[in-house]
Amino acid sequence: QKEVEQNSGPLSVPEGAIASLNCTYSDRVSQSFFWYRQYSGKSPELIMSIYSNGDKEDGRFTAQLNKASQYVSLLIRDSQPSDSATYLCAVPNQGGKLIFGQGTELSVKP
Amino acid sequence: KAGVTQTPRYLIKTRGQQVTLSCSPISGHRSVSWYQQTPGQGLQFLFEYFSETQRNKGNFPGRFSGRQFSNSRSEMNVSTLELGDSALYLCASSGWTGEETQYFGPGTRLLVL
Repeated sequence: QKEVEQNSGPLSVPEGAIASLNCTYSDRVSQSFFWYRQYSGKSPELIMSIYSNGDKEDGRFTAQLNKASQYVSLLIRDSQPSDSATYLCAVPNQGGKLIFGQGTELSVKP
Repeated sequence: KAGVTQTPRYLIKTRGQQVTLSCSPISGHRSVSWYQQTPGQGLQFLFEYFSETQRNKGNFPGRFSGRQFSNSRSEMNVSTLELGDSALYLCASSGWTGEETQYFGPGTRLLVL
């Protein structure tokens, strides 16, 4: 059974800072990784998907994947109070199943 | 393109009752996965349907069941509700193979009294 681990936080950063969220996974053969953002009381919203080693940038978000070390991270540059949410790392298993970490709660202070 | 829709959005039931939740995937998507989210357990996979067939099932009791129709819409049913079934129930749809990115609906919040 694959496992996905995240620090639950809360992670608190000042507005304008870089927030760094980390995720480790147990299965070496995992090929794709997803970051979802979930606001309180809402459903998860896809932020980034990453499939290859290295960095993938999308606006203020950068996902970093290191398959050798089995970790994937999400960097949020110029953090805004509106980025305050829980960030979920997910790894696909077979048959349409995503395995989620417990999520990291991010708080961006004005 | 319209997103994933779920109905109803909120439900209040009492122990012992049953409930049916509905999910309409993004147009053209053939895979629907269901998840239960609780504060203590996080997001837990219930089951996945692809082309009307259940392909995968999580570790939930038989009281939890589902089905998918020919138009890819899916329903899940929970019978003999227990207090612990109170949760946010989420469905997610993905494309032709079911292995692509999953997009979540708004969820159904179920409260069992």
